[in-house]
Amino acid sequence: QQQVKQSPQSLIVQKGGISIINCAYENTAFDYFPWYQQFPGKGPALLIAIRPDVSEKKEGRFTISFNKSAKQFSLHIMDSQPGDSATYFCAAFQGAQKLVFGQGTRLTINP
Amino acid sequence: DVKVTQSSRYLVKRTGEKVFLECVQDMDHENMFWYRQDPGLGLRLIYFSYDVKMKEKGDIPEGYSVSREKKERFSLILESASTNQTSMYLCASSSSTANYGYTFGSGTRLTVV
Repeated sequence: QQQVKQSPQSLIVQKGGISIINCAYENTAFDYFPWYQQFPGKGPALLIAIRPDVSEKKEGRFTISFNKSAKQFSLHIMDSQPGDSATYFCAAFQGAQKLVFGQGTRLTINP
Repeated sequence: DVKVTQSSRYLVKRTGEKVFLECVQDMDHENMFWYRQDPGLGLRLIYFSYDVKMKEKGDIPEGYSVSREKKERFSLILESASTNQTSMYLCASSSSTANYGYTFGSGTRLTVV
């Protein structure tokens, strides 16, 4: 079963807009929630991450919002740029440094 | 620049062949992982290893095995390739003492015909 559910599967946003990708999980033992960014032909790279004792983390144009009670977290990309076009994966740590990934979101930013 | 190197970017193999995918990391990481990536399914863990000569099954180990004879090298083996193993395979490594950071290779796109 999919332990981390991600939506939408694909997303098209106009340049300058806000991109929002959502994830939900069931396992309350997860203790760390990273987001990965993957460009075509490359492996995923860590973008930003959050722990469940924090409700929001911001790094530049990228923000994670975390709702522990709802077991949901989301990635917001402000002022989206064509260079942000990539596939984004949310993930959760299951313990012992083992990551569980969401299904991925293909983001396209139209110029 | 630290890196995880996968030996092949593209491979085409025939059904029934034994296939070896190689991964080498130069960061002295203890942990290494093999994932497969399929559209709509995300990244699914096949096998992982926390130390030399040890291995643990991930979520989808059937049809695969692994070998870790040296700390820097982690090999994924398809004992008898099948068409449903056509996929992108990603290797990753991480440190047991660092803060949960995974470093991924660029992937091997395997096609089984």
